[in-house]
Amino acid sequence: EDQVTQSPEALRLQEGESSSLNCSYTVSGLRGLFWYRQDPGKGPEFLFTLYSAGEEKEKERLKATLTKKESFLHITAPKPEDSATYLCAVESHNQGGKLIFGQGTELSVKP
Amino acid sequence: DTAVSQTPKYLVTQMGNDKSIKCEQNLGHDTMYWYKQDSKKFLKIMFSYNNKELIINETVPNRFSPKSPDKAHLNLHINSLELGDSAVYFCASSQETYEQYFGPGTRLTVT
Repeated sequence: EDQVTQSPEALRLQEGESSSLNCSYTVSGLRGLFWYRQDPGKGPEFLFTLYSAGEEKEKERLKATLTKKESFLHITAPKPEDSATYLCAVESHNQGGKLIFGQGTELSVKP
Repeated sequence: DTAVSQTPKYLVTQMGNDKSIKCEQNLGHDTMYWYKQDSKKFLKIMFSYNNKELIINETVPNRFSPKSPDKAHLNLHINSLELGDSAVYFCASSQETYEQYFGPGTRLTVT
């Protein structure tokens, strides 16, 4: 059964303090791994898709990487506006778009 | 311009009632989804439609029935509401099974 585990559940950082969020997964055949950001009271906002081990993608202070067992979301010099819950999800081949989500990492960045 | 919209945003109702949530997307996507997010923020897929055809139908009580009048709309009807149905329901859309874009959510409270 496909499974996604994110760690830590919560992370508190000072502004400018870089860190990483982890997403461990087990799937029968990975089609894609997705990162989303969710602000309180809003829907998840798409950030990245990674398709194969070794792939990396960047957007502003965020960088996502992928291995055969896990993905990392690196946050460089975070700002308070980066505070949100970050969700990781995987899709297996031939699943018609069925995403399996992790429980999320709640990031808080203090000024 | 709203890409994926849902109505209503909040829905408070009593046990045993029947209610509907509407979703519309103006992205030109051909696939739409319903997700349920529980109190622990865990996001789980319920249904998906591709060009008005049901593709994903997870283990969801028969009281939940999706309806897709056209590929830009996907509604969710819930019969005989129960306390355990209280959650936030998200609609999403994608082109084929690529990255999914989520609506703002509908917070359902059953009393």
